[in-house]
Amino acid sequence: SQQGEEDPQALSIQEGENATMNCSYKTSINNLQWYRQNSGRGLVHLILIRSNEREKHSGRLRVTLDTSKKSSSLLITASRAADTASYFCATDASRLWDDMRFGAGTRLTVKP
Amino acid sequence: DTEVTQTPKHLVMGMTNKKSLKCEQHMGHRAMYWYKQKAKKPPELMFVYSYEKLSINESVPSRFSPECPNSSLLNLHLHALQPEDSALYLCASSLPGQGPSGNTIYFGEGSWLTVV
Repeated sequence: SQQGEEDPQALSIQEGENATMNCSYKTSINNLQWYRQNSGRGLVHLILIRSNEREKHSGRLRVTLDTSKKSSSLLITASRAADTASYFCATDASRLWDDMRFGAGTRLTVKP
Repeated sequence: DTEVTQTPKHLVMGMTNKKSLKCEQHMGHRAMYWYKQKAKKPPELMFVYSYEKLSINESVPSRFSPECPNSSLLNLHLHALQPEDSALYLCASSLPGQGPSGNTIYFGEGSWLTVV
């Protein structure tokens, strides 16, 4: 079963703009991760944020986590056409570190 | 080497066939996963092996049979599948016991399965 829900389901922006995607989840977690998937390919890990962290940066990526609201956001700054992909959040059930479940995902299109 | 290798990349099988999907990693990971993904949907967890023991089975039909011969290999045996089982099957692996430190999963490129 799914753990996280993401919105928006689809996002279309121009190159150079920022893209924000949100993820909500249902149960307690140890950490939350974001993954990227190009069409029909495997998923690539982007960033992990632990439950005791509130914000994390990696290059053009900024992730926030609000455990009180059970939500996270992924911000991609200065987007590029190559950022076009589906983005998924994934969470673990707090006692089962290997029980990784994915949210519905956001399909991002960056127009050149 | 951060690679998970899946074979075959594409598989077409009839409903009476028996086939297998294979997955291999040499990163020393001790957890291995099978996910199923339909078009425009997120990956759905099917099975997890931790230290070569089946730790999670998400009530997957018995026509899917996982096998973990050793810590580097993971198979998914397929028998008497239905057309609705056509999907992208993703194998993944991760280090064990990271608990609150996190559990980054590394994915293969997937095997596209078509059941006719």
